[in-house]
Amino acid sequence: QLQLHESGPGLVKPSETLSLTCTVSGGSISSLSFYWGWIRQPPGKGLEWIGTVFYSGSTYYNPSLDSRVTISVDTSKNHFSLKLSSVTAADTAVYYCARLYSSGWTAPTVYYFDSWGQGTLVAVSS
Amino acid sequence: DIQMTQSPSSLSASVGDRVTITCQASQDINNYLNWYQQKPGEAPKLLIYDASNLETGVPSRFSGSGSGTDFTFTINSLQPEDIATYYCQQYDNLWITFGQGTRLEIK
Repeated sequence: QLQLHESGPGLVKPSETLSLTCTVSGGSISSLSFYWGWIRQPPGKGLEWIGTVFYSGSTYYNPSLDSRVTISVDTSKNHFSLKLSSVTAADTAVYYCARLYSSGWTAPTVYYFDSWGQGTLVAVSS
Repeated sequence: DIQMTQSPSSLSASVGDRVTITCQASQDINNYLNWYQQKPGEAPKLLIYDASNLETGVPSRFSGSGSGTDFTFTINSLQPEDIATYYCQQYDNLWITFGQGTRLEIK
């Protein structure tokens, strides 16, 4: 049974860098069939995709966050990480990590988030 | 960026009702559209992928249809446990956008 678990500080000061790690258990992060993503949800609001990483290190970021986001993967530890720099109160949210299934390299390729972590609330406040 | 317009933003229905939610893409996305259910305090859960395919284990009262820019999500015979917020999500290759969500309540 695949499990994803987010970890990191629950409170970050404005202008600092938010750092979270998602540890994957019950499956390999190096699978060719999956990408790994971060999604966030401000309190009482909708879902926002932050970005996605492949085990090779290839990354895809939301253009609205691209200048502040770095997502990396550590296959030896079976985890991937999120760094979001220069945070403000608007970055306060529940942050989810999730597995993104890929049907393969031949078009049309289907993608969907099939497994999610429980989420972790990160507040930005001084 | 591809924008997704989901409607309504909220709706109230009775047990046994048929419920319909729509999602419109700002450009043609073929069938690249998924639907998720999120209950309060929980992570989202995949219900429908590739516009019309039911995820394994999801009750058959849930269905999806559409292609191109216009998509529909339907719950046939609403059940009390279906109270949740529902989101559409498109993927343009690996660039992803969610709809704003539809909050579903029981009358």
